[in-house]
Amino acid sequence: DIQMTQSPSSLSASIEDRVTITCRASQSISSYLSWYQQKPGKAPKLLIHATSSLQSGVPSRFSGSGSGTDFNLTISSLQPEDFATYYCQQSHSTPWTFGQGTKVEIK
Amino acid sequence: EVQLVESGGGLVQPGGSLRLSCAASGFTFSTYAMNWVRQAPGKGLEWVSAISGSGSTYYADSVKGRFTISRDNSKNTLYLQLNSLRAEDTALYYCARGISGSYCPFDYWGQGTLVTVSS
Repeated sequence: DIQMTQSPSSLSASIEDRVTITCRASQSISSYLSWYQQKPGKAPKLLIHATSSLQSGVPSRFSGSGSGTDFNLTISSLQPEDFATYYCQQSHSTPWTFGQGTKVEIK
Repeated sequence: EVQLVESGGGLVQPGGSLRLSCAASGFTFSTYAMNWVRQAPGKGLEWVSAISGSGSTYYADSVKGRFTISRDNSKNTLYLQLNSLRAEDTALYYCARGISGSYCPFDYWGQGTLVTVSS
């Protein structure tokens, strides 16, 4: 199975901060990497797929980059509604594994 | 508008069974792969199972041989039969649609149905 490791596990940031979350795969997954946002009590929401393709309706302050084993999710200017937990997921091969999550909290 | 509505969760004793359902609307159900993803209380996301529009299936090792995914395209409904349940199967179970043309990633999710395995 492909292991997905996110860092950090949590972070504190202020409004308008630039935030970067890293996801590392245990083997190359090409560009088969997605990012989800989950708010408390809600289902996850797909933000980005294929490493850098922004899902329809997702603000442009979210961006993704990387390839192979190392990937980033960047929020260019953190907004109040962005405080949530973020998960990466590989879709290279089954089982489609998720990272453990990164909780973004208000500083 | 795409909607996925899960049902069928509840409290069950270890070794027991449940059948989860996911009613889909707002899209041509038969043309999309569907998935079940679970989330234990306070924990992360775990993919459980997937099924193609035509019925090909995949399972996580943790549930293989105990869970069965199926679908009824005439009823626009996805199912997950859970047998031989264990305490570690306690979780919120989400159904999720595979993005167009693929099993994964998942572009729409239901609100989840809670399965609690306890004596």
